Amino acid sequence: AQSVSQHNHHVILSEAASLELGCNYSYGGTVNLFWYVQYPGQHLQLLLKYFSGDPLVKGIKGFEAEFIKSKFSFNLRKPSVQWSDTAEYFCAVTTNFGNEKLTFGTGTRLTIIP
Amino acid sequence: EAQVTQNPRYLITVTGKKLTVTCSQNMNHEYMSWYRQDPGLGLRQIYYSMNVEVTDKGDVPEGYKVSRKEKRNFPLILESPSPNQTSLYFCASRGPDRVREQYFGPGTRLTVT
Repeated sequence: AQSVSQHNHHVILSEAASLELGCNYSYGGTVNLFWYVQYPGQHLQLLLKYFSGDPLVKGIKGFEAEFIKSKFSFNLRKPSVQWSDTAEYFCAVTTNFGNEKLTFGTGTRLTIIP
Repeated sequence: EAQVTQNPRYLITVTGKKLTVTCSQNMNHEYMSWYRQDPGLGLRQIYYSMNVEVTDKGDVPEGYKVSRKEKRNFPLILESPSPNQTSLYFCASRGPDRVREQYFGPGTRLTVT
């Protein structure tokens, strides 16, 4: 079974700082990778996804992520964060077999200080 | 507007009192799923449904039931809620293409006292 690790539980940054959130997964086969964001009191929204092709994917609100297959990683990046990026970020993976469930990491809480 | 809706959004109940959380999607999606979100654990799948009348257990099914009598609805049933089922619940749906993302409902915050 697949699993996802997010090593940063809580990240605090000042506005305009650069962001990188780590995500590693364990699964030997083909995976589809996602980053979701949950703003305070709201439901999950998709930031970006990777399923094939260019390993550098761009999402909404200036976020991007790079799939590095050899490292089983899918780190999220943003060059300059804003206060409105304060939220919880979840990395998730699905496989192409069986139950199409999303396996989530435990999440990273991001706090941006104005 | 394409969306997943859940009701109620907030619910406080007592141990043992049966409850149902409804989930409905208007995107004609075949795949639907229920997750619970707990601090430090992320989201975990409770049950899923690949299509009408086809349901199966996820990672944490104990204490829950589901039904899928029609494509758009996927209710979550707690026959005898217990305090350890206090959580934030999300319903999700996905279209036929395996690489498409799952769309999430707004969540139901359940407290069992």
